[in-house]
Amino acid sequence: DAKTTQPNSMESNEEEPVHLPCNHSTISGTDYIHWYRQLPSQGPEYVIHGLTSNVNNRMASLAIAEDRKSSTLILHRATLRDAAVYYCIPQNAGNNRKLIWGLGTSLAVNP
Amino acid sequence: KAGVTQTPRYLIKTRGQQVTLSCSPISGHRSVSWYQQTPGQGLQFLFEYFSETQRNKGNFPGRFSGRQFSNSRSEMNVSTLELGDSALYLCASSLDTGELFFGEGSRLTVL
Repeated sequence: DAKTTQPNSMESNEEEPVHLPCNHSTISGTDYIHWYRQLPSQGPEYVIHGLTSNVNNRMASLAIAEDRKSSTLILHRATLRDAAVYYCIPQNAGNNRKLIWGLGTSLAVNP
Repeated sequence: KAGVTQTPRYLIKTRGQQVTLSCSPISGHRSVSWYQQTPGQGLQFLFEYFSETQRNKGNFPGRFSGRQFSNSRSEMNVSTLELGDSALYLCASSLDTGELFFGEGSRLTVL
């Protein structure tokens, strides 16, 4: 199973962009890269996922390195509601529930 | 559309007792996964059920068990509780191998 490395914590100011990095150097060629976040006192929620190309949705953008050994979740304008723990998770398309979540990055957003 | 519902939200047990937690997935979702979350270990995968069959299993002792009913509702059981079983137990549902939708969790305290 691919392992990930994320910073323990990061800090941002409201309305500024945030780049959350993730290293997944042992990822296999068929693993998708999923990002979830967990707000305080809630279960995790899906943010975005991708395989090789950069992806955008209403919540965030995902930039995947060409060698797929790292990716970056981009929040274009951080809000106070974005304060959460962000998890980067390689997810095999077939056996994808046996996930290794890690401890994620705790993002603090300053007003 | 109702989300994933977990009951009970909070419970306190003593060592040696057993506990049963319930999870009602989003209507139409046939996959239900269970996770244990502790401050030091993060989220750890327990098991996944799909159409009443266990499809994946994590590395937990046999004291942890689960089942899924024909209506996709799932239960997990922990027998002979230990202090270390104190955790937030999260349930997630999905259509099959797609995005996970989490409940708010059941917080178990073992005294």
